Amino acid sequence: DGGITQSPKYLFRKEGQNVTLSCEQNLNHDAMYWYRQDPGQGLRLIYYSQIVNDFQKGDIAEGYSVSREKKESFPLTVTSAQKNPTAFYLCASSIGVRVSNTGELFFGEGSRLTVL
Amino acid sequence: LAKTTQPISMDSYEGQEVNITCSHNNIATNDYITWYQQFPSQGPRFIIQGYKTKVTNEVASLFIPADRKSSTLSLPRVSLSDTAVYYCLVGYRKAGSARQLTFGSGTQLTVLP
Repeated sequence: DGGITQSPKYLFRKEGQNVTLSCEQNLNHDAMYWYRQDPGQGLRLIYYSQIVNDFQKGDIAEGYSVSREKKESFPLTVTSAQKNPTAFYLCASSIGVRVSNTGELFFGEGSRLTVL
Repeated sequence: LAKTTQPISMDSYEGQEVNITCSHNNIATNDYITWYQQFPSQGPRFIIQGYKTKVTNEVASLFIPADRKSSTLSLPRVSLSDTAVYYCLVGYRKAGSARQLTFGSGTQLTVLP
């Protein structure tokens, strides 16, 4: 089945450690996104990528890094520079921002990161 | 960066029609307006999308006035299972960069028996 797979679903980290969240899609979508959601809050954009080997900062990129070496993969690294990393992280994809302005996003099931 | 604005919360009773409005003053000419539904600990899922006037599908209607500075999601005859957070999504052009997709603050809809 086509879709977006995020892993791990739950992750615990000690302070000072970097962690990488995986996001894979088999929808053949050009664009991919990472959002952060805090309890009772909306979604905030961390990074997005419209094409392989290109990505851009969203509203809250500090303390995060990404790569887009393959079309189907867009991993997010939460670095030790992120002061408050405990949150629910959502990955999404869309056909392509340049191709379409429809903005329809397909989301994964999320990864919940907890810093101990 | 321009943002969208929605009411924080709304309550309704089963069987009623619910209307949720989103303000998006700086919407770009070619941008569409999309609404999503999110249940706790799940990713949002697509509800409906439109550009102008009215769009209707099997679960909702979307009303967009001529100036496109706002939109209203209408849910007919809600049930308890419609209790969720509803987000309005519009693409904005960021100066010196490609466009990005920004969510509104979301509206928590609670349907009461």
